[in-house]
Amino acid sequence: QVQLQESGPGLVKPSQTLSLTCSVSGGSISSSGNYWSWIRQHPGKGLEWIGYIYYNGSAYYNPSLKSRLSISEDTSKSQFSLELTSVTAADTAVYYCARLYNSGWYGGYFFDYWGQGSLVTVSS
Amino acid sequence: DIQMTQSPSSLSASVGDRVTITCRASRSISSYLNWYRQKPGKAPKVLIYGASNLQSGVPSRFSGSGSGTDFTLTISSLQPEDFATYYCQQSYSTPPTFGGGTKVEIK
Repeated sequence: QVQLQESGPGLVKPSQTLSLTCSVSGGSISSSGNYWSWIRQHPGKGLEWIGYIYYNGSAYYNPSLKSRLSISEDTSKSQFSLELTSVTAADTAVYYCARLYNSGWYGGYFFDYWGQGSLVTVSS
Repeated sequence: DIQMTQSPSSLSASVGDRVTITCRASRSISSYLNWYRQKPGKAPKVLIYGASNLQSGVPSRFSGSGSGTDFTLTISSLQPEDFATYYCQQSYSTPPTFGGGTKVEIK
C-alpha cells in the first residue's frame, strides 16, 4: 500500500517561497511508469494540477505556474518537493501530493494515491 | 488546455436514488476520463478510470460511460457515504485538467 505524506510550513508570507515535501512509503519513486504529482485546491474550489516529476527527474509544470515553479526529487529519501516562488494570497490552498499511475494504453493515467493534504496560507 | 465541464454543479438526492453526473470535454479525449469522489476535508478518491473501468475496491453501484467528448458517471443507488463532491479529470493530454465538480447533497 503506497502512502504519501505532505510536510512543510502552513503559513508563508507574501513574496516569499512556498516549499513542501512529499514523503512516499510502500512504493518506489525510482520506478518507471508513474509520475509524482502536486495538485492544489483553493478554499471551496476545484482541483488544479500544479506539476509532476518522473522517476528520471524530468518535470512537467502547469503553464500558468511554470515561471514560479520547481519540482525536484530525492530518490534516496523517497521524497519529492515543490517550490513556488513569489507567492501571493492567490496561492492560499490545500496542496496535495499524489501518484499519477499508468494503467496502460486502455485505461490511461489516473491519480490513485493521494496525501491527506497540507493547507498553506499566504499572509503577512 | 482541454476544458472539462461538469453538470449539474450541484444536485439534491435521497438515499437509494439513481444519480447521473455528466462531463464534457472541449475536444475529443478518447476514453481517457477519470472520476473521483471527494468527501469534505479529505483527498479525492478515484472511482472510475478510462471512462468505464471500476477501480479496485470501489462498489459496483458506481459506473461510467462515454467516449470522445461526452461522459457520464452513474450511481445506481445512492448511499450515505456518497454525499460528496465528484470530479471528472482528463488524462488525454498534459496538463491534466479537472471539471469544476458536482456536489451531491441530501434532499
